[in-house]
Amino acid sequence: GAVVSQHPSWVICKSGTSVKIECRSLDFQATTMFWYRQFPKQSLMLMATSNEGSKATYEQGVEKDKFLINHASLTLSTLTVTSAHPEDSSFYICSAITGGAGNQPQHFGDGTRLSIL
Amino acid sequence: GQNIDQPTEMTATEGAIVQINCTYQTSGFNGLFWYQQHAGEAPTFLSYNVLDGLEEKGRFSSFLSRSKGYSYLLLKELQMKDSASYLCAVLDSNYQLIWGAGTKLIIKP
Repeated sequence: GAVVSQHPSWVICKSGTSVKIECRSLDFQATTMFWYRQFPKQSLMLMATSNEGSKATYEQGVEKDKFLINHASLTLSTLTVTSAHPEDSSFYICSAITGGAGNQPQHFGDGTRLSIL
Repeated sequence: GQNIDQPTEMTATEGAIVQINCTYQTSGFNGLFWYQQHAGEAPTFLSYNVLDGLEEKGRFSSFLSRSKGYSYLLLKELQMKDSASYLCAVLDSNYQLIWGAGTKLIIKP
């Protein structure tokens, strides 16, 4: 149980392109999803917390207009990297929690490796 | 500020036991998680501790001492596939998850 699917797993595109990443909870309803980015040999950095039906809460230093998050349903959240540049190249990972209890473990998607040329 | 400390890297031998420590200073505490992350992959959940003591789950055990702000992950009968990074993360009073930088564990034959 608690399977999270993330798509695509790998993206290579030109600078200036917008890229959409999907995160789906396959066998549960995720009221809250999280978006992280991770640079090589570094820990996870939380970008934003996404609640179904409401605006995402972004962490300090994360540009809302650059990283658009939509959580339109209880099973789907999307992250769009707008006008991507080489410095946006990173490993992007989503996670989701089941139920309303704040101490539920986060279940992660497989991640999306984004390379901007 | 909030801080989680864990060693950057550890090396152990196949078949042996290794203990990965984690100390934390956070605003409040609502539990501590351990995750395993293989290179190039997303983290997978290993354990959750909210009360003091040892939680055993197969070859992996996790210990918590809230008074000392300390936890460890104990891995027994090490296998080559245990080579990975191990992430310690604490839920603070606002249920925000604070992540450690991770400990890279290298297993040698």
